[in-house]
Amino acid sequence: DADVTQTPRNRITKTGKRIMLECSQTKGHDRMYWYRQDPGLGLRLIYYSFDVKDINKGEISDGYSVSRQAQAKFSLSLESAIPNQTALYFCATSDWGVETQYFGPGTRLLVL
Amino acid sequence: KNQVEQSPQSLIILEGKNCTLQCNYTVSPFSNLRWYKQDTGRGPVSLTIMTFSENTKSNGRYTATLDADTKQSSLHITASQLSDSASYICVVSADNDYKLSFGAGTTVTVRA
Repeated sequence: DADVTQTPRNRITKTGKRIMLECSQTKGHDRMYWYRQDPGLGLRLIYYSFDVKDINKGEISDGYSVSRQAQAKFSLSLESAIPNQTALYFCATSDWGVETQYFGPGTRLLVL
Repeated sequence: KNQVEQSPQSLIILEGKNCTLQCNYTVSPFSNLRWYKQDTGRGPVSLTIMTFSENTKSNGRYTATLDADTKQSSLHITASQLSDSASYICVVSADNDYKLSFGAGTTVTVRA
């Protein structure tokens, strides 16, 4: 969905490096989410934010941090990347409830 | 723990044929169930959403059914097209939780 953009789309990094994934949305939604997707597994929630001043951990937040710089921007950081963080990362947004989430195109991350 | 199980993991069908995907869940208390379509290299896109009181919902050639008593849902694809090749993800939300439970998805390949 072009209303939710993610950068970079692909990234290769080395173990121990710090990396930031960025998400921007033009849908005007207050709620934003970060997920990771691994082969054979469902999407898992890393962090979510219901507004600029609200940040919450998801089910797999260890090793990750986030920043909600504005209503439209939500960044995910890996402070010290490790190989098992190799995955496809998705940002999503939703309106008041979680009724429908709109996903970005994803960032494919490879940690060597 | 809320879980969503999908079957089969993958399937191959010929163009023009029909297929049915299954989703079983243990999410409780149930709020709603969505089916998403995820094209390769793209984020998931919502196809249908059903609440407790709905037992069928259509979106073009896609028809979803829900049996809230047995906690089962199915997605039927009619007269498949090459563009139906994608992963189909069942997503369930609980009534008292903002988080979604994602199935691992069924990968559908449509061949000419």
